[in-house]
Amino acid sequence: EAQVTQNPRYLITVTGKKLTVTCSQNMNHEYMSWYRQDPGLGLRQIYYSMNVEVTDKGDVPEGYKVSRKEKRNFPLILESPSPNQTSLYFCASSSNRRTNTEAFFGQGTRLTVV
Amino acid sequence: EDKVVQSPLSLVVHEGDTVTLNCSYEVTNFRSLLWYKQEKKAPTFLFMLTSSGIEKKSGRLSSILDKKELSSILNITATQTGDSAIYLCAVVPQGGSEKLVFGKGTKLTVNP
Repeated sequence: EAQVTQNPRYLITVTGKKLTVTCSQNMNHEYMSWYRQDPGLGLRQIYYSMNVEVTDKGDVPEGYKVSRKEKRNFPLILESPSPNQTSLYFCASSSNRRTNTEAFFGQGTRLTVV
Repeated sequence: EDKVVQSPLSLVVHEGDTVTLNCSYEVTNFRSLLWYKQEKKAPTFLFMLTSSGIEKKSGRLSSILDKKELSSILNITATQTGDSAIYLCAVVPQGGSEKLVFGKGTKLTVNP
């Protein structure tokens, strides 16, 4: 089954403790991205990657890092989480933006930083 | 700055009603517009629109793009409680950062 898998689904952590949210897709998609969703603000892009070893900042990259060492994986790293990073996070992938394909979303990770 | 505005932000209807959700956009170079449905989990894809005036239809849902008015509508006829969700509109600009620009969504509640 074609899917985007995020882990964990729920995470509560303390300020400053490094964490990684994993994202994996099994569709051989080139394009992957991370979004955060907050009430009243909608979905905002954090980082995206157009292919292996190619990443770039989205609208709200501060406090986040990503890597794309393999095509299928695109982890989101919070080196020193803060309470304002409490949010619902989604990973998405698509085959190639230039060919007009829709993005497939993971199930989301609800992160709480206390 | 690219922008997508959805209206209304929230809508409450009764089962059987027909609803129209609006999405307007401002992007430097438009490539396509996407509609998603989000229940208590990940957004799921509904439609992709690239050409003006061509209606996309799936069951009771339909959508059309108007490039002249820089807008799109999503229609849902004979609504059911299962249609209750947040409906998201996103625009894909040409080139540049290759990102989806999302609106804030319309929260639809269908009461029995």
